[in-house]
Amino acid sequence: AQSVAQPEDQVNVAEGNPLTVKCTYSVSGNPYLFWYVQYPNRGLQFLLKYITGDNLVKGSYGFEAEFNKSQTSFHLKKPSALVSDSALYFCAVRGVGSGNTGKLIFGQGTTLQVKP
Amino acid sequence: KAGVTQTPRYLIKTRGQQVTLSCSPISGHRSVSWYQQTPGQGLQFLFEYFSETQRNKGNFPGRFSGRQFSNSRSEMNVSTLELGDSALYLCASSSTGSNTEAFFGQGTRLTVV
Repeated sequence: AQSVAQPEDQVNVAEGNPLTVKCTYSVSGNPYLFWYVQYPNRGLQFLLKYITGDNLVKGSYGFEAEFNKSQTSFHLKKPSALVSDSALYFCAVRGVGSGNTGKLIFGQGTTLQVKP
Repeated sequence: KAGVTQTPRYLIKTRGQQVTLSCSPISGHRSVSWYQQTPGQGLQFLFEYFSETQRNKGNFPGRFSGRQFSNSRSEMNVSTLELGDSALYLCASSSTGSNTEAFFGQGTRLTVV
């Protein structure tokens, strides 16, 4: 079965410190991985994706993510957190195979709290 | 380029009623997917439409249905509403290809009383 896990319900960091939001996945074949952010009462905003190539992908708002095939992980990172980064973050994998076309499978979400 | 537009933003309905939600995708996007977001279950896939055809369906009862029009706009319908249908319903559009990202609308907040 295809799945995504975000092991931390909440991550707390101080402004200016680096942040990491963890994600692991389970999918057969080559994964297409995504990170989204959601602010209160809003839809999801696309941050970045991994399709193939360089394991470090850069995205919007200074975020980047590191793909690690051996650990089946796709952790989201940012060198210096901002208070405005406080939001709910979702990792997702694109479904593969018959019956999964067009489907994003999401993790349960991680709340990022950045304190001044 | 305009983003994904969902209407209405908020809805309050009574148990047993039915509701129709609308989604206008980004121009040129032919794939439209719907998701239900609740605090307990998180983000769950409802269905996906491509060129007016339902390509994939999630594990929801038949009360949940959808359709897509020739201009790629999509609607989803929920009949015989239950209290548990209260949720944020999100629509996403994408261009063709599994490696493309999906762009989400702001959602429709449905409250069933």
